[in-house]
Amino acid sequence: QVQLVQSGAEVRKPGSSVKVSCKASGDTFSTDTFTWLRQAPGRGLEWMGRIVPGVGMTNYEQRFQGRVTITADKSTNTAYLEVTRLTYDDTAVYFCARDFGMAQYFFNYWGQGTLVTVSS
Amino acid sequence: DIVLTQSPDSLAVSLGERATINCKSSHSILHTSKNKNYLAWYQQKPGQPPKLLIYWASTRDSGVPERFSGSGSGTDFTLTISSLQAEDVAVYYCQQYFSTVAFGQGTKVEIK
Repeated sequence: QVQLVQSGAEVRKPGSSVKVSCKASGDTFSTDTFTWLRQAPGRGLEWMGRIVPGVGMTNYEQRFQGRVTITADKSTNTAYLEVTRLTYDDTAVYFCARDFGMAQYFFNYWGQGTLVTVSS
Repeated sequence: DIVLTQSPDSLAVSLGERATINCKSSHSILHTSKNKNYLAWYQQKPGQPPKLLIYWASTRDSGVPERFSGSGSGTDFTLTISSLQAEDVAVYYCQQYFSTVAFGQGTKVEIK
C-alpha cells in the first residue's frame, strides 16, 4: 500500500512561482514513477509530466515544457512540482499520482490534491 | 495528439438500473503487437482524487466491484455500471496512455 501526502494550499501572484511536494510512503520510491496532473475548477484532468526518481528521468507534456520542473529527493521519498511564470489559468488542484508500473501510465495511487490559487 | 471524447456529458439513472458511458478516441489506441488497448477509466467524487476502476480497457483494478465493466477496442470504448448504486454518483473519466497521457472531458452520473 502506498500513501501520497501532498503539501498544503498555496496562493501566489501572477508571474511568481510555486513548488508543491508529494511525500510517498513505502520502500519502492526509487523504482516507481510519479506523475503530476492538474484539474482547473470545473474542468477535466491534465497530465503535466512524470519522474522516475531512481534514474532522475523526466518527461513533460509539451505545453508545459520550460515552465514546469519535476524533481525528486530519494532521501525523503518526496517528489516536487515547480511551476514558474504563473498566470490566472494556472489556478487548479494539483495532484501527484503513482504510475501502475513501469511504462504503465495509468495511476492507482493519488495524493489528496493541492489547491494553487493565482490571484493578485 | 490523441483526443478522447466522452458521451453523454451527464446522465441520470434510476437506482439498480444500467449506466453506460462512451469514450471515443481520435486515433486507435490498440497496440496491435501486444493486443492491448491503452485505456483506463476513473471515478471521481467531489473533493477527492480520481480512483482507478479499469485499465487495459477491461481489467478491473483490485477491489473494484464487479458491477463496473469496461469494453471496446481501437477507438470506441464503454464503461458500464450494471446496477447503479447510490455510492456510484460521481464523474467518470476515460484516459488513454498510448501516446503520452490524455483524459476525456468527464461524464457526470446522477440518480434519477
